[in-house]
Amino acid sequence: DVQMTQSPSSLSASVGDRVTISCRASQGVGNYLAWFQQKPGRAPKSLIYAASSLHSGVPSKFSGSGSGTHFTLTISSLQPEDSATYYCQQYNTYPLTFGGGTKVEIK
Amino acid sequence: DVQLGQSGGGLVQPGGSLRLSCSASGFTFDTSAMHWVRQAPGKRLEYVSTISSNGGLTYYADSVKGRFTISRDNSKRMLFLQMNSLRREDTAVYYCVKAHYSNFDAFDMWGQGTMVTVSS
Repeated sequence: DVQMTQSPSSLSASVGDRVTISCRASQGVGNYLAWFQQKPGRAPKSLIYAASSLHSGVPSKFSGSGSGTHFTLTISSLQPEDSATYYCQQYNTYPLTFGGGTKVEIK
Repeated sequence: DVQLGQSGGGLVQPGGSLRLSCSASGFTFDTSAMHWVRQAPGKRLEYVSTISSNGGLTYYADSVKGRFTISRDNSKRMLFLQMNSLRREDTAVYYCVKAHYSNFDAFDMWGQGTMVTVSS
């Protein structure tokens, strides 16, 4: 199975900060990488697919980059509503696998 | 609007069975692959199963292979997950997920989730 490793596991940042989350795959997954946002007690929400394509309705403050084994999710200007856990996922190879999550908190 | 309405969760004893349902609306169900994903309390998301748009292709995580069966009824716009021989470690919130139009394997919209608790 492809192992997905996210860093950091948690972070605290101020409103307006630029936040970057890293995701590494144990083997190359091309650009078959997605990002999800999950708030406590809620279903995940799809943010990005194909490493850098935004799902419909997702604000442009979210962006993704990378290919192969290293990917990043960036929030350009952190807002209180962005407080959540973010997961990466590879869909290049079955079984599809997720990272361990990055919890983003507002200072 | 795309909507996925889930039902069928609950409390079941180890070794028991449960059938989860996911009702789809707001999109062309019979051209969309569908997925099941679960999340144990406090844990990361875990892939469970996938079914192609016509039901001819299915995938399973090793942890559920031989015990769970994914199926669909396109005439009723319904997705199912039959779970047999349930174990305590199957306790989780289960989500149905619509595949993205651009790629069978990419996730798009998520259902609200349904809790499955396996306990005696």
